[in-house]
Amino acid sequence: NAGVTQTPKFQVLKTGQSMTLQCAQDMNHNSMYWYRQDPGMGLRLIYYSASEGTTDKGEVPNGYNVSRLNKREFSLRLESAAPSQTSVYFCASSEGGTSGVVGELFFGEGSRLTVL
Amino acid sequence: GEDVEQSLFLSVREGDSSVINCTYTDSSSTYLYWYKQEPGAGLQLLTYIFSNMDMKQDQRLTVLLNKKDKHLSLRIADTQTGDSAIYFCAESMGNQGGKLIFGQGTELSVKP
Repeated sequence: NAGVTQTPKFQVLKTGQSMTLQCAQDMNHNSMYWYRQDPGMGLRLIYYSASEGTTDKGEVPNGYNVSRLNKREFSLRLESAAPSQTSVYFCASSEGGTSGVVGELFFGEGSRLTVL
Repeated sequence: GEDVEQSLFLSVREGDSSVINCTYTDSSSTYLYWYKQEPGAGLQLLTYIFSNMDMKQDQRLTVLLNKKDKHLSLRIADTQTGDSAIYFCAESMGNQGGKLIFGQGTELSVKP
């Protein structure tokens, strides 16, 4: 079982460039999330998708867009990258609703993005 | 708004007990969680506690919850070098299932 797979693992962009981070899960989970991790700030929620066909903003959505392509895949797009978006990005998934341990997230290994 | 606070670093000797502390703000959270992040990896759920409990024990791990003070702690008994990692406290956003608010993370360093 692969769990949650993110690509790419590393990326360097110039200011103003665009890119998409891909995420796929094979656990048949309903909910998927994108978090960013910055030193001393923990993880902050960018966007989430409670179920296929829905997406909602988290704490720090500005500068990002998302697409829930199907139940397995949830992508994060930076339309015009800025140095402030240099971070480690984590995709996660969960059962959603009241199934399993509510709040148990399964994380990918992270994508390290540097914007110059 | 909701907020979760942790100290950033803790250093202990192998064999000692480690205590990682956390304060949170949202009293409506049904569950509170401890996640562990090893170097270069994503987070993994370590343990959790239901909000109507005061304590939960799981092998070397003891979670204490003080709802009055909104204080959560994680005690690791007989800490080993393999326990070196970053530990995150988390609460649900307004009791909304998997939407979590994480603390800053406490980096635990275990010295032999």
